[in-house]
Amino acid sequence: KNQVEQSPQSLIILEGKNCTLQCNYTVSPFSNLRWYKQDTGRGPVSLTIMTFSENTKSNGRYTATLDADTKQSSLHITASQLSDSASYICVALREGTYKYIFGTGTRLKVLA
Amino acid sequence: DADVTQTPRNRITKTGKRIMLECSQTKGHDRMYWYRQDPGLGLRLIYYSFDVKDINKGEISDGYSVSRQAQAKFSLSLESAIPNQTALYFCATSDLGRGHDTGELFFGEGSRLTVL
Repeated sequence: KNQVEQSPQSLIILEGKNCTLQCNYTVSPFSNLRWYKQDTGRGPVSLTIMTFSENTKSNGRYTATLDADTKQSSLHITASQLSDSASYICVALREGTYKYIFGTGTRLKVLA
Repeated sequence: DADVTQTPRNRITKTGKRIMLECSQTKGHDRMYWYRQDPGLGLRLIYYSFDVKDINKGEISDGYSVSRQAQAKFSLSLESAIPNQTALYFCATSDLGRGHDTGELFFGEGSRLTVL
């Protein structure tokens, strides 16, 4: 069964701290995996894309990793800011199809 | 201006009413999608369209219909709204099928529908 599971469901951290969000996927055939950020009441926006051959990719304070062997991805946020408060959604794309497989997201709250 | 525009942004209606949610895009993408988002369930696919003449059901199409009026326009209709269709609805486009595509989804701002 093609699915994407994210953990934790929710997370509260203090401003300035780091955190790591997890995504496990069982998607075949696998094309790529994206992390999206969804602010409250807004549409999701792509943060980064990870393909089969990529291990690590950074986008500012966001660093994504992908382990194709264990089918795991993580999103690490460094020096969190209040504006990082959002839901983070992991989405895998099946190769050769229209099919996007969505995780249920991690809701992050950053406190001052 | 947003690349993917949804109207209305918020709508409250009564059971049994017909509702149309509209989506227009300036991305020039052929592929358009309608998703529904409920707390704890993530985004679920209602309908998708690869071009004006190609419309397909997603995983939760019952109770919904769509119309692809042009490459840039994709509308979602609820013929007879019911309370469990209360949700946040998103339209999205994808660059799949074009050269150098990466499959990124571009979402609208969402339409919050409440059915009383």
